[in-house]
Amino acid sequence: ETGVTQTPRHLVMGMTNKKSLKCEQHLGHNAMYWYKQSAKKPLELMFVYNFKEQTENNSVPSRFSPECPNSSHLFLHLHTLQPEDSALYLCASSQEINGGTDTQYFGPGTRLTVL
Amino acid sequence: AQKVTQAQTEISVVEKEDVTLDCVYETRDTTYYLFWYKQPPSGELVFLIRRNSFDEQNEISGRYSWNFQKSTSSFNFTITASQVVDSAVYFCALSDIYTDKLIFGTGTRLQVFP
Repeated sequence: ETGVTQTPRHLVMGMTNKKSLKCEQHLGHNAMYWYKQSAKKPLELMFVYNFKEQTENNSVPSRFSPECPNSSHLFLHLHTLQPEDSALYLCASSQEINGGTDTQYFGPGTRLTVL
Repeated sequence: AQKVTQAQTEISVVEKEDVTLDCVYETRDTTYYLFWYKQPPSGELVFLIRRNSFDEQNEISGRYSWNFQKSTSSFNFTITASQVVDSAVYFCALSDIYTDKLIFGTGTRLQVFP
């Protein structure tokens, strides 16, 4: 199943670098999500987009900047990150934002290490 | 506030044993959805099941079965005759119909040894 793809799978960056994570879904969905998974912590929802409009920003620091140019693509632009931002970043998609009824399907994640 | 508790941090079994992963949830909503996801070492969360709050029928899919009990706010997951390929972290999650957020538990790491 390759319904949701993420690139790159692994990324190492310095604190002064700028990089971007890419997510693409091939499921015809309209809602896309970014999650952060740190060691020994529950998955944290970061951003939600529904029909390209951001509907949720879960108090994420501005060094993380999402972009959703269309319903199939979602980016997470990274700038001046901190070592504590090292984590697995997961993208997900669902049919749309619909009262929790739609299942979210996840990509394989990008393992980010900030030096 | 919604909350999902997976009290078992890690479980180890030997192949062919049955294993049950516990999930207890809290919500004030009368309409909600519960999910189980599997996260193998590759990292991807694989969707296993979705159950709405009005459907308390237990479900079986091959070696997997789920026991939903509203009276105890539990949605437990049983793997029968476990296999090494079942080794993964399993997450239980609850969706809030008003904000569409998925609230995840902290996960249970299952290790199945040959």
